[in-house]
Amino acid sequence: EPEVTQTPSHQVTQMGQEVILRCVPISNHLYFYWYRQILGQKVEFLVSFYNNEISEKSEIFDDQFSVERPDGSNFTLKIRSTKLEDSAMYFCASGSESYNEQFFGPGTRLTVL
Amino acid sequence: GQQLNQSPQSMFIQEGEDVSMNCTSSSIFNTWLWYKQDPGEGPVLLIALYKAGELTSNGRLTAQFGITRKDSFLNISASIPSDVGIYFCAGYSNTGNQFYFGTGTSLTVIP
Repeated sequence: EPEVTQTPSHQVTQMGQEVILRCVPISNHLYFYWYRQILGQKVEFLVSFYNNEISEKSEIFDDQFSVERPDGSNFTLKIRSTKLEDSAMYFCASGSESYNEQFFGPGTRLTVL
Repeated sequence: GQQLNQSPQSMFIQEGEDVSMNCTSSSIFNTWLWYKQDPGEGPVLLIALYKAGELTSNGRLTAQFGITRKDSFLNISASIPSDVGIYFCAGYSNTGNQFYFGTGTSLTVIP
């Protein structure tokens, strides 16, 4: 059964450093998403991506964040200058339609020291 | 952002009991999804609902899309230990063009 994969599973970085989180969505999906989940809290939407451009983003997704689909399979989230409060689980998800079911990856745990 | 309130926040039940949880909002949603999340893992999709009044089952799980389109319900029948986890609802709003997640219901099943 196809699934969303994410790498790395855990990333530790120093405050102010840049990180890139990687995702491989399900191959025939067209909509891609990043979410974050601070420990013990709910899942929060960051950004949606369709047809090689951002279709929606939340208030959390400020200028420090960017997304890219560098090739036909990968979907990345870059945080330019990490802050302590960026520590969270980051989930990638993909779907065949914008309003349709979304399938989540296993997440990347980002720890900013 | 739009708020989705889930209740109860947590539940402790005996194995074999039925479970009910719900998700409510002041806003109208066009799609409701229910997910289960185990610690340290990604949410796993359980059920998707697309029409008001729709009732959909997935094994022992049944979910309903509320008639007002402002709520959704998830029932688990005859709970088993592996049902333990956090259950999240998510609603899609055309206004926001995104899914909003609920606050979660933590389920503990006592063998």
